[in-house]
Amino acid sequence: DGGITQSPKYLFRKEGQNVTLSCEQNLNHDAMYWYRQDPGQGLRLIYYSQIVNDFQKGDIAEGYSVSREKKESFPLTVTSAQKNPTAFYLCATKGTGFNQPQHFGDGTRLSIL
Amino acid sequence: AQSVTQLDSHVSVSEGTPVLLRCNYSSSYSPSLFWYVQHPNKGLQLLLKYTSAATLVKGINGFEAEFKKSETSFHLTKPSAHMSDAAEYFCVVTPGSSNTGKLIFGQGTTLQVKP
Repeated sequence: DGGITQSPKYLFRKEGQNVTLSCEQNLNHDAMYWYRQDPGQGLRLIYYSQIVNDFQKGDIAEGYSVSREKKESFPLTVTSAQKNPTAFYLCATKGTGFNQPQHFGDGTRLSIL
Repeated sequence: AQSVTQLDSHVSVSEGTPVLLRCNYSSSYSPSLFWYVQHPNKGLQLLLKYTSAATLVKGINGFEAEFKKSETSFHLTKPSAHMSDAAEYFCVVTPGSSNTGKLIFGQGTTLQVKP
């Protein structure tokens, strides 16, 4: 989706290191989401934010942290506490309205060195 | 509890033949339903959505889906497969009781298109 930019596209993490994945949007959407996707599996929700300065844990928040200081940005930090971080990470946004779909970025693939 | 079941993990068709990807859902409320497509190393792209209007929903790239409440199904179809349709497809539901925008994803169906 052209309105959501995830960077970098590929990221490598060393043992004991924290890394931050960027998600920026110009769709003026209030809600933003982070998902993790493992091979052959569906998406699992890590964190979500419905408004600036507020965010909620998803189903697999342990070992991750987020911030939402600006409407346009929702960075995800994968901490050293996340023992199995290798996965494809997707950011999504959603406009106002119950039936609005989520729109996805092109993802960041994180691997362990 | 709400859930989504994609009945086939892998579907293989020949180019030019019809496509059928099956999805059943469970929801205590009137759900919104979506189909997304994912090509390798890409994000999810919305194909179509059902939001309690017409039960037959037309989407992009010739895909359509029919909402059948009595069967709790939302199967995705296309009359004639193209090589570019080869991808992963996800059936997704928004629980009717939630206003957080959280989604429930099926496990995905891999569509293979043979020449």
